[in-house]
Amino acid sequence: GAVVSQHPSWVICKSGTSVKIECRSLDFQATTMFWYRQFPKQSLMLMATSNEGSKATYEQGVEKDKFLINHASLTLSTLTVTSAHPEDSSFYICSAKGLGLTYEQYFGPGTRLTVT
Amino acid sequence: KQEVTQIPAALSVPEGENLVLNCSFTDSAIYNLQWFRQDPGKGLTSLLLIQSSQREQTSGRLNASLDKSSGRSTLYIAASQPGDSATYLCAASGNTPLVFGKGTRLSVIA
Repeated sequence: GAVVSQHPSWVICKSGTSVKIECRSLDFQATTMFWYRQFPKQSLMLMATSNEGSKATYEQGVEKDKFLINHASLTLSTLTVTSAHPEDSSFYICSAKGLGLTYEQYFGPGTRLTVT
Repeated sequence: KQEVTQIPAALSVPEGENLVLNCSFTDSAIYNLQWFRQDPGKGLTSLLLIQSSQREQTSGRLNASLDKSSGRSTLYIAASQPGDSATYLCAASGNTPLVFGKGTRLSVIA
């Protein structure tokens, strides 16, 4: 149980375009979802926390107008990178936590974004 | 603000050796401490989760300990194998989402 999926697993887009990444909890209701990004050989840095039905809380230094997060249902959160630039190329990982699940976050497999 | 530090940053050992990876955290008010494995270009695989009330957890050749009062956790890997080569991340969970260390890159040489 407690499986989180991400789609797509990798994506290449041109500079200036937008790309959407989906994060789904497959077998539980995720009241809270988290988005992380990871640069090569670096650790995971939290970008934002989203609770179902409310606006996401962004970490300091993360542009909320550039990284749009929507958590419209208890099983789906999306991250949209708007007007992507090469420096946005990174590995994006989501995680989810649900009611009754002991504080544990369950991680998706990640999405590799390359902006050319 | 929680900060997590992992030492060493990289480690290379011959196959068969036992090894210890270290993790320290600044805020002892944690709910749990989790160890993950990450292979190059891949996502995270959860290895062990230690609740704040626990002292250790074991899974196969892996044993993780937690000392909240000193802000430390260790991951012990017995009889290391080349397949254990990966980056190992520890993460602390409290009132905030998981805070990750920078990881230890482990290479087990056959």
